[in-house]
Amino acid sequence: EAEVAQSPRYKITEKSQAVAFWCDPISGHATLYWYRQILGQGPELLVQFQDESVVDDSQLPKDRFSAERLKGVDSTLKIQPAELGDSAMYLCASSVRDRDTGELFFGEGSRLTVL
Amino acid sequence: RKEVEQDPGPFNVPEGATVAFNCTYSNSASQSFFWYRQDCRKEPKLLMSVYSSGNEDGRFTAQLNRASQYISLLIRDSKLSDSATYLCVVNDYKLSFGAGTTVTVRA
Repeated sequence: EAEVAQSPRYKITEKSQAVAFWCDPISGHATLYWYRQILGQGPELLVQFQDESVVDDSQLPKDRFSAERLKGVDSTLKIQPAELGDSAMYLCASSVRDRDTGELFFGEGSRLTVL
Repeated sequence: RKEVEQDPGPFNVPEGATVAFNCTYSNSASQSFFWYRQDCRKEPKLLMSVYSSGNEDGRFTAQLNRASQYISLLIRDSKLSDSATYLCVVNDYKLSFGAGTTVTVRA
């Protein structure tokens, strides 16, 4: 079982509905990432936090996606409204600090299906 | 051109065989490189870092060719448990993942 906790594991929703995913990183890990992985593709970074601050959200579709890490610990990723193309695995990862070591610890992911 | 490109495979090999595959990257300024392993419907996990001088960890060998901008992963004496998707990760200003190379080891 992954040390990074994510919920829900599975979510089925209809388009135009709101969806939220939660992530609790490994204790002490300052850097938190949200990735999206479409079947057959590699993970794509959506947003990166350093403590409570966003350091990279250049690939986050801000018209419908939002992410927060208010106290620098756990994090929430929200989609509103969901679209069919949002169906994917949403992976949360954490690392001790920035990307230098390249070692990210991933959660088991939240699989979203939009109908 | 994608930042990181991998041959998707699949590479179907018998147990005990050697399998090798490459990953090319577009940014010549990339600083560091990694291989991750992802089992079916599981999360990615770090397999090994790739150093300029090459890196070996048991049956796995990773190499970097900066001149041609690619990294490679070689698996010797393949085991059934090596069946997975291997993701190439390149660190420039962010960690960029390739789409993965699928390896299936058959008995």
